[in-house]
Amino acid sequence: AQKVTQAQTEISVVEKEDVTLDCVYETRDTTYYLFWYKQPPSGELVFLIRRNSFDEQNEISGRYSWNFQKSTSSFNFTITASQVVDSAVYFCALSEASNFGNEKLTFGTGTRLTIIP
Amino acid sequence: DAGITQSPRHKVTETGTPVTLRCHQTENHRYMYWYRQDPGHGLRLIHYSYGVKDTDKGEVSDGYSVSRSKTEDFLLTLESATSSQTSVYFCAISEAGVPNEQFFGPGTRLTVL
Repeated sequence: AQKVTQAQTEISVVEKEDVTLDCVYETRDTTYYLFWYKQPPSGELVFLIRRNSFDEQNEISGRYSWNFQKSTSSFNFTITASQVVDSAVYFCALSEASNFGNEKLTFGTGTRLTIIP
Repeated sequence: DAGITQSPRHKVTETGTPVTLRCHQTENHRYMYWYRQDPGHGLRLIHYSYGVKDTDKGEVSDGYSVSRSKTEDFLLTLESATSSQTSVYFCAISEAGVPNEQFFGPGTRLTVL
């Protein structure tokens, strides 16, 4: 069974600090996909990134970067030089290849990030 | 932004009454989903649709039904609302289903008294 754990329920950092949000997943499949979504205070969910299990290259997009490590089943998200606009709840999610056709996307419980000005 | 709207955005109802939530998309995406978001649970899939009149159950489908008579509309019905269905409901769309990314609507906050 697939499972996503975001152990950090809430994190607060001062603006301009770097912050890493942890995501640990469990799966028995060798083919799977990992996602990050952002939910700002306005409530909508915004897609950030999708990564498949065969691509372990880290990805950087502006101040955002993602570190995928299959050895530790982790897909961590780092925000560099944080800004107040980064304040949001961030969700990690997993989809297994064996579930393709079943549309099962398992979300973690989210990490609430607060950036203090 | 993906063209997804949900109506109503807020609703308060009483236990035992039927409730229908509507999701409307202008993207012509094949897949549509209904999730509920509750503290400590993240998002959980209720039902989804992979085409007109084609639907299937998700993780927490008990007490809910859905219908999709047109590509652009996906309805979620609570036949007899209970307090445990108090939640925020999100609709999402996807061009081709998992593992493609899903785009979410603004959400509907439902309170069942």
